[in-house]
Amino acid sequence: GQSLEQPSEVTAVEGAIVQINCTYQTSGFYGLSWYQQHDGGAPTFLSYNALDGLEETGRFSSFLSRSDSYGYLLLQELQMKDSASYFCAVRDKGYGQNFVFGPGTRLSVLP
Amino acid sequence: GAGVSQSPSNKVTEKGKDVELRCDPISGHTALYWYRQSLGQGLEFLIYFQGNSAPDKSGLPSDRFSAERTGGSVSTLTIQRTQQEDSAVYLCASSLASRRGDYGYTFGSGTRLTVV
Repeated sequence: GQSLEQPSEVTAVEGAIVQINCTYQTSGFYGLSWYQQHDGGAPTFLSYNALDGLEETGRFSSFLSRSDSYGYLLLQELQMKDSASYFCAVRDKGYGQNFVFGPGTRLSVLP
Repeated sequence: GAGVSQSPSNKVTEKGKDVELRCDPISGHTALYWYRQSLGQGLEFLIYFQGNSAPDKSGLPSDRFSAERTGGSVSTLTIQRTQQEDSAVYLCASSLASRRGDYGYTFGSGTRLTVV
């Protein structure tokens, strides 16, 4: 079956760096995405990794290790507005674009 | 349109009634998805449409759920004989089709369904 694991909650202070991990067991693997969702809002796309390594987009970076079935989202210079839930999602089929989502990690940024 | 539009934004219905949820994707996006999210939970895949291909219905939880996409654009998710466990936020998303899968989803704001 398909399973993705993420920590349920993470807390950090403004200005700090935080890493949100995601491990997955899926029938196939073609890529890993990350989404951010503020309370009451829609998920918004952050990044996509198909190959091993680190992808950087501003304060956010995403890492993938396919051999370890593992990825993480790194948030630097945390701001209060980064408080949200973060979901990893695996593309498990090569012929479509459907993603399986993880349970989400709630990040709280404290002043 | 500029974004993915869903209607209604909120729906309260009595147990046993049928409901229809509408999604208007971004113009030009060939892929359309329905997910549902229970309070504080992750996203549960329901159904996926890609162009003129047969939809992937593998996530529909029961035969009370169905969806269609007319003209490759607007989609309607129908839930028949609603049950209290159907209460959730129903999210629609669309994306450009890509062999690499690197185009992220754009989600609508969702329909909050409450079955009483």
